[in-house]
Amino acid sequence: NAGVTQTPKFQVLKTGQSMTLQCAQDMNHNSMYWYRQDPGMGLRLIYYSASEGTTDKGEVPNGYNVSRLNKREFSLRLESAAPSQTSVYFCASSRVDSGANVLTFGAGSRLTVL
Amino acid sequence: GENVEQHPSTLSVQEGDSAVIKCTYSDSASNYFPWYKQELGKGPQLIIDIRSNVGEKKDQRIAVTLNKTAKHFSLHITETQPEDSAVYFCAASGYTGTASKLTFGTGTRLQVTL
Repeated sequence: NAGVTQTPKFQVLKTGQSMTLQCAQDMNHNSMYWYRQDPGMGLRLIYYSASEGTTDKGEVPNGYNVSRLNKREFSLRLESAAPSQTSVYFCASSRVDSGANVLTFGAGSRLTVL
Repeated sequence: GENVEQHPSTLSVQEGDSAVIKCTYSDSASNYFPWYKQELGKGPQLIIDIRSNVGEKKDQRIAVTLNKTAKHFSLHITETQPEDSAVYFCAASGYTGTASKLTFGTGTRLQVTL
C-alpha cells in the first residue's frame, strides 16, 4: 500500500519557468491537500479539494493553481515560478474518523527557484 | 482564523528523560488536535490525536493532554529514545464534515542525546 505518492522529489527552476507537482493516493480518500513547509513557519495550506470536482483556496494560494484530475490525483501548478516559492511541498489526503479528517502526508517535493 | 503557537522551538533531552511540547490555539470552535512527527527527509506522520471530549490520551510512551478552558494542549514523551529525535508539529481544526483545514504550529525540533 503506497499511500500518498508525490513526484518529483526534487526540482530546480529558473524564475518565470512553470512546472506541475503531481500527487496520487491509493487509499480511496475523498479529500486531498497541498501544503508548503518553510523554516520556522510550519505547514501552510495552499489549496485543498474536499471531493472530486471541487477545489478551494487555503491560506497561501497566490501564484498556484490546482487540478483534481480524478479521485486519486491532485496536481499543483506553478505558472511563473518566483524565488519566494522555494519550499518543500507536501501533498496529503484525509479519511474521516469520528467526524475528524485524519491526514496522511506524502514524502514531499523540494523545489528551488533561482 | 485559527492561530496555533508551539513551544519550545528546540528541545534537547538525555535518553530516558521526558520531553514536553506545548501548544496554544485561538479558536474556541476547534475540537480536533493531532500531533505529527517528521523525520529528516520525510513527510509528517500522525503519532497521536485528541478530540475535545477527552482531557488526556495515552499510547505507550506518548500522551497528549488538552485543556479547552485555557485553549492549550501538550505532548508528553516518556523514557525518550534516540529514535524519538525528529521535528514535532501540533495542529488544530474544527470538524468541518468535508475537508479538514488544519492549522499547524511552527514545530519543535527534539534531539535525544545518549
